[in-house]
Amino acid sequence: DAGVIQSPRHEVTEMGQEVTLRCKPISGHNSLFWYRQTMMRGLELLIYFNNNVPIDDSGMPEDRFSAKMPNASFSTLKIQPSEPRDSAVYFCASSRQGSDNEQFFGPGTRLTVL
Amino acid sequence: GENVEQHPSTLSVQEGDSAVIKCTYSDSASNYFPWYKQELGKRPQLIIDIRSNVGEKKDQRIAVTLNKTAKHFSLHITETQPEDSAVYFCAASVSGYQKVTFGIGTKLQVIP
Repeated sequence: DAGVIQSPRHEVTEMGQEVTLRCKPISGHNSLFWYRQTMMRGLELLIYFNNNVPIDDSGMPEDRFSAKMPNASFSTLKIQPSEPRDSAVYFCASSRQGSDNEQFFGPGTRLTVL
Repeated sequence: GENVEQHPSTLSVQEGDSAVIKCTYSDSASNYFPWYKQELGKRPQLIIDIRSNVGEKKDQRIAVTLNKTAKHFSLHITETQPEDSAVYFCAASVSGYQKVTFGIGTKLQVIP
């Protein structure tokens, strides 16, 4: 199993640009989570999906952030327009419902907004 | 919703000493408490977990304890080694309910 796959691994963009982060969960996992990690706030849950349906998006900072999961093997997190304060590491994680709730994290995307 | 508090935020110990990280949670419905380790530049990975029907669980040099009445749980690492240096996250959730609430993290440094 390849584990959770994220792309890109690094993204540097200018303020105002659109950023799209991508995630492929582990096959067979039906829950997918997007986290943002910063020094100040630690690991924050932005949104999570069960069976491709968004369940809790209360962590999404504002309307500039949006997430989709069109099918069981792909999800995107989009920031439009991006701002310097969005600079962080964004992790995608997946888990299997009915398991021990263990979440398997991807390698993360390090986003820098100049 | 669930709120998980974790302390200390940083911890330095001499190699061979023990390290203890403590967490509290607010939601009495929580019954599953995982701990994740994140090495520098890497992803968080599960290292041990405990459910509310047990008070303690050990795996080699690491152990977790849970006091459900007080809503406290702790991670104990004995005979620390330099490779234990990392950020450790505690978390809480309701078993079967996928959302997990993480603590802020503890940066552990083991000094050789």
